[in-house]
Amino acid sequence: GAGVSQTPSNKVTEKGKYVELRCDPISGHTALYWYRQSLGQGPEFLIYFQGTGAADDSGLPNDRFFAVRPEGSVSTLKIQRTERGDSAVYLCASSLGPQQGQDTQYFGPGTRLTVL
Amino acid sequence: AQRVTQPEKLLSVFKGAPVELKCNYSYSGSPELFWYVQYSRQRLQLLLRHISRESIKGFTADLNKGETSFHLKKPFAQEEDSAMYYCALKGSYQKVTFGTGTKLQVIP
Repeated sequence: GAGVSQTPSNKVTEKGKYVELRCDPISGHTALYWYRQSLGQGPEFLIYFQGTGAADDSGLPNDRFFAVRPEGSVSTLKIQRTERGDSAVYLCASSLGPQQGQDTQYFGPGTRLTVL
Repeated sequence: AQRVTQPEKLLSVFKGAPVELKCNYSYSGSPELFWYVQYSRQRLQLLLRHISRESIKGFTADLNKGETSFHLKKPFAQEEDSAMYYCALKGSYQKVTFGTGTKLQVIP
């Protein structure tokens, strides 16, 4: 079946602009995660959704970052007033949810964001 | 706080040689440990988790709570094992912390 998809695959923007990154999880997966991966680093946790609600947003770096998942499926990561330091690959992952026992996260291909 | 350390950025071994990718962690409770792998031009994917105590593609990893380590091992490296490997930790909640990764290069 279809895996996690993310759009766009690449996004180039100018400093100060607003961007939205989209994640389509695997159908039926209630848990959704956003990570940010900078060059030479491992994925860094940003936010975790269980259903429609953000169960843990402790990884969001500041109030310029916001994420929504209004219907418990597709999620959008929103970044306001982008800065050059926001340049990274943004990864999305989904899973069946913690109540399912061994809960495997399936990752999308990522969106490469470049802020000029 | 939870932390994962992978001391080697690059590990080069010859085909057929044993492989050990090091991972140390810091967490005050009982963590769940994972190894993820990313092959060239592919997505990040789960390789194995400590609670399953399984061997995947010949790789094994044992959780050593005394040394707070979760090293990944394989007795005989294959060329197709060349990839980026990330150790990861999940604590009491769903937040997963990844290490910085080790690039494994298997030389033919």
